[in-house]
Amino acid sequence: RKEVEQDPGPFNVPEGATVAFNCTYSNSASQSFFWYRQDCRKEPKLLMSVYSSGNEDGRFTAQLNRASQYISLLIRDSKLSDSATYLCVVNRQGNTPLVFGKGTRLSVIA
Amino acid sequence: DGGITQSPKYLFRKEGQNVTLSCEQNLNHDAMYWYRQDPGQGLRLIYYSQIVNDFQKGDIAEGYSVSREKKESFPLTVTSAQKNPTAFYLCASSIGAGWNTEAFFGQGTRLTVV
Repeated sequence: RKEVEQDPGPFNVPEGATVAFNCTYSNSASQSFFWYRQDCRKEPKLLMSVYSSGNEDGRFTAQLNRASQYISLLIRDSKLSDSATYLCVVNRQGNTPLVFGKGTRLSVIA
Repeated sequence: DGGITQSPKYLFRKEGQNVTLSCEQNLNHDAMYWYRQDPGQGLRLIYYSQIVNDFQKGDIAEGYSVSREKKESFPLTVTSAQKNPTAFYLCASSIGAGWNTEAFFGQGTRLTVV
């Protein structure tokens, strides 16, 4: 099983739609979780951290389910500018670098 | 402005040549990383360094080398031993390695073997 797995998509949704991405991780000792956004041919940028209690930032909501070892990202009222690849990121046990999923591609269509 | 600078943005290499990719940060971060990204793939860790004069291999270190002589700089050399070096190379830094630390990325270097 891969350390971090995501549905690659693409997800093609109309403007205004709600879309959700899931990501599973294999290391039960993982402690830190993030969603990064990567635009085409650009570097990844932090979208939001994921906390145990779940957290919201405007139209974006992130959830963590430790029992099932998955995290989710919900985007409400999708905008054309949300079109990008969304990377699920997890830390390994201890003081080690982040592990990135392959990403889920989202296309928001007018 | 604080940030991470990678250079060059595009690099062409002949087979059998070594090339060095530059990564400089002025964020005063202790940890620095090199990732490789292939089309349609995720980021794979090449090397990382948590402190000056120390670095560790990542998942795909073969054919690469690094140095960390200064806190601000973490150059990556792609050697002729790397069999398939054409890729997008991303350098990142964070305050520390591991728990709950956001990684900031440079704009990347696209390396093509010709």
